[in-house]
Amino acid sequence: GQNIDQPTEMTATEGAIVQINCTYQTSGFNGLFWYQQHAGEAPTFLSYNVLDGLEEKGRFSSFLSRSKGYSYLLLKELQMKDSASYLCAVRDSNYQLIWGAGTKLIIKP
Amino acid sequence: NAGVTQTPKFRILKIGQSMTLQCTQDMNHNYMYWYRQDPGMGLKLIYYSVGAGITDKGEVPNGYNVSRSTTEDFPLRLELAAPSQTSVYFCASSYSGEGNTIYFGEGSWLTVV
Repeated sequence: GQNIDQPTEMTATEGAIVQINCTYQTSGFNGLFWYQQHAGEAPTFLSYNVLDGLEEKGRFSSFLSRSKGYSYLLLKELQMKDSASYLCAVRDSNYQLIWGAGTKLIIKP
Repeated sequence: NAGVTQTPKFRILKIGQSMTLQCTQDMNHNYMYWYRQDPGMGLKLIYYSVGAGITDKGEVPNGYNVSRSTTEDFPLRLELAAPSQTSVYFCASSYSGEGNTIYFGEGSWLTVV
């Protein structure tokens, strides 16, 4: 079966750095997405990786290793507004998106 | 910039009732999707459409129906509502092709009692 694994919950301090990991086992690979979802709201796009390596976008970076079935989202200079769930999703060989359950990130002052 | 608009935002249904969740997008996206999200679970694909007149089942289609008569609209019909259909429903759209971002509507909270 297809599976996306992420930690259920993480806690970090305002101003710090946090890394949210995602491992996947899917039938084929056609890209990996990270989305942010605030409580009671819709997911919004953060990043997309299809080749190995690091994609940087402001305070957020996303890394992919296809050989290891592994990605991480790195959030720097954490702000209180970064408190949200972070969803990892992989597009499989049929171009269907498989979603992880999300990581709830709690930011403390 | 309306994007993806879905209605209603909240609804309480009695067991056995039927209803339609409306979804419309103004971005001329060819792909549209319906997901459900249960607490602590990932998004599950109910149905999707790659263009007007074409629909396909996703991972959890039982108890639902869709239609895609226009590019803009993709309504989701619940027939004979059951408590297991209590969930948050998200409509989404995207252009076809690898890497294209999926844009979500604001969600519809449905409770079946």
